[in-house]
Amino acid sequence: SQTIHQWPATLVQPVGSPLSLECTVEGTSNPNLYWYRQAAGRGLQLLFYSVGIGQISSEVPQNLSASRPQDRQFILSSKKLLLSDSGFYLCAWSVDPWGAYEQYFGPGTRLTVT
Amino acid sequence: GQSLEQPSEVTAVEGAIVQINCTYQTSGFYGLSWYQQHDGGAPTFLSYNALDGLEETGRFSSFLSRSDSYGYLLLQELQMKDSASYFCAVQTGGGNKLTFGTGTQLKVEL
Repeated sequence: SQTIHQWPATLVQPVGSPLSLECTVEGTSNPNLYWYRQAAGRGLQLLFYSVGIGQISSEVPQNLSASRPQDRQFILSSKKLLLSDSGFYLCAWSVDPWGAYEQYFGPGTRLTVT
Repeated sequence: GQSLEQPSEVTAVEGAIVQINCTYQTSGFYGLSWYQQHDGGAPTFLSYNALDGLEETGRFSSFLSRSDSYGYLLLQELQMKDSASYFCAVQTGGGNKLTFGTGTQLKVEL
């Protein structure tokens, strides 16, 4: 069976500090991978998605970046965090590009920037 | 770009039927998905419609009208555990991605 891992579960970081969130998927190969951010009480905002190693599509211009160094690893980074970066960060995967309608989400990372 | 509209909050009693509507404006539409998210948890997939009509999965059904850019999620025999946020999401971008609505918070009361 497939499993998706995200860490850390919670994170408190000062403004201006760097960020690295990691997501890994087990039990499948060549998945589509996604990073979302959810502000409190709001919907999910798609940040990045990837259809393969080294292929990243950015949806929202901001101070975040993403990388996919391995088939089942997706990393979200920032060089300098802003207060507005606080939120619930969710990684997700789908079976293939055309299966994006059915995504499986990780447990998420709750980030507070102080 | 894409835009989706859902009611922000719906309240219903246990055992009742509730319908959550979703209207959308988008280009390159592939289909409409529905997700459930409990407080503090991750979203889970409920249903998907690519063609017009009704899809039934147990107590949950989803409907799509492509000509009206409209869909709904129907929850029957409501249970307390159904209290959660429900999101519609349009599949676009060549099928590669989902754009989510702002969500509807469903409260089920005794």
